[in-house]
Amino acid sequence: DGGITQSPKYLFRKEGQNVTLSCEQNLNHDAMYWYRQDPGQGLRLIYYSQIVNDFQKGDIAEGYSVSREKKESFPLTVTSAQKNPTAFYLCASSIRADKGAIYNEQFFGPGTRLTVL
Amino acid sequence: GIQVEQSPPDLILQEGANSTLRCNFSDSVNNLQWFHQNPWGQLINLFYIPSGTKQNGRLSATTVATERYSLLYISSSQTTDSGVYFCAVDPTSGTYKYIFGTGTRLKVLA
Repeated sequence: DGGITQSPKYLFRKEGQNVTLSCEQNLNHDAMYWYRQDPGQGLRLIYYSQIVNDFQKGDIAEGYSVSREKKESFPLTVTSAQKNPTAFYLCASSIRADKGAIYNEQFFGPGTRLTVL
Repeated sequence: GIQVEQSPPDLILQEGANSTLRCNFSDSVNNLQWFHQNPWGQLINLFYIPSGTKQNGRLSATTVATERYSLLYISSSQTTDSGVYFCAVDPTSGTYKYIFGTGTRLKVLA
C-alpha cells in the first residue's frame, strides 16, 4: 500500500529542545517537501528536496534543518532557534522532475501537530 | 512572486446545494492542484488540473490557464464536504515550488 507516513502524530516539546519529525514515502518519488500550517492559514514551504543528498530552503527555513540521505526519507528538525514552532507540519512528495519535465503532482502525509510547552 | 487568491474565504451551504469556488493566480503556471483538508488536517488530492476540465463524481474543476483562474464546482453538497479547500500552483519558473492560496472554508449544514 503506497503512501506517505509521518510520525509522531502529536509531539510536545519543551522550550529549548530540538525535535525531529519523521517523513517516509514508498511511492518512489524523487522530490519531497515540508510545509508548515498555522491555524486558519494556508501552507508555507519550509524546505524541499528534488534529489537525494540535495535540498533547498523554502520561504520560512529559519530555525529548521533537514537531511536527505535516502530517497524514501526526509526528516525535519525543529531547532531551538525557531521562535514559534507550535504548528501543524505536513510532508509531501512528488514524482518530479527531470530537468524540463513539467508534471509535478504532490501527495501529502497525515501531518504532525507540534506543541511547545 | 506569484500571488494566489481564493474566493470566497468562507461559505455556508445547506445540504444539497451547489457551489463554485474560485482560484485566481497572477502569473503563468505549470501545475495546479485542488485539495480538500478534512477536519483531521489530512490534505486530500481532488484534482491535478493545470488546464482544461475534469470531473470526479459530484466534483468538477476547470482551469483557464490563459486567463489565470481555476474553478472548483461542488454539486449536491453533503456534510462530509465540509472542510477547507485549497488551490496550489507551481509557477513556470521551474522551481517546482507550489504556492498555496489561503483557502475557502466550507461548512455544509444538514
